[in-house]
Amino acid sequence: EAGVTQSPTHLIKTRGQQATLRCSPISGHTSVYWYQQALGLGLQFLLWYDEGEERNRGNFPPRFSGRQFPNYSSELNVNALELEDSALYLCASTLPPASGSIDEQYFGPGTRLTVT
Amino acid sequence: QQPVQSPQAVILREGEDAVINCSSSKALYSVHWYRQKHGEAPVFLMILLKGGEQKGHEKISASFNEKKQQSSLYLTASQLSYSGTYFCGTENSNSGYALNFGKGTSLLVTP
Repeated sequence: EAGVTQSPTHLIKTRGQQATLRCSPISGHTSVYWYQQALGLGLQFLLWYDEGEERNRGNFPPRFSGRQFPNYSSELNVNALELEDSALYLCASTLPPASGSIDEQYFGPGTRLTVT
Repeated sequence: QQPVQSPQAVILREGEDAVINCSSSKALYSVHWYRQKHGEAPVFLMILLKGGEQKGHEKISASFNEKKQQSSLYLTASQLSYSGTYFCGTENSNSGYALNFGKGTSLLVTP
C-alpha cells in the first residue's frame, strides 16, 4: 500500500513570493491535515480538510490557505512568503473522526520550504 | 494550547527504561504519541482516549490521567531503534478534531 506522498521535497523561494505544496493521502483516507514544523517548535497544526471542505484551521494568518480535490489530494498555498515561513511542512492523512476522536495519522515525508 | 513535554532530552544506555511526560492545562479528550527519527516523518505510536480506551503498538505502554490532564509514555528495555524525538498531541473537547503537539522529547539510546 502506497504511503502519503508530498511534493516537492525541497522548495526555495524569495520573500514575497508564493509557494504551493502538494500532498496525496493514502488510498481510502478522506482527511488531510497540514502541519508546520519549525526548528524547536514541534508540530504546529495548520489546516484540516475532509471530503473537500476545510474543517478547521490553526492559529496562522490567512495567507496560509489550501484546498482538497475530489480525489482527496490536497494543496497548501502560502502567499507573501516571509523569512519565518521557512520550515518543514508535513501533511498527514487519516480516516475521518468516527468515534468522536482523531484517528491514527499517517505522515508524509514533508516539504522543506526555505525562504530567502 | 501547546502541551508541555518533559524531559526535553534524555540519553539512555541500551536496556534502560525511560518515561516521557505530557501535561496540558486544558481538560483532555485524547492524547496521541508519535516518534520521529531524524530526517523522517513522524510515526504513530499510541492513542489514549478519555474513558480508558487505547489503540497502539503492543510493545508501547502509556498512561492517561484524566484528572491531572497528563499522559506518560513508558519505554522499557530500550533498544537502539527507540532513538528519536517523541511528540505528544492533545485533543480537547473544543479543539475541532485538531491536535496540539508538544515541542518534543529527544531520546538517544546508546550501545
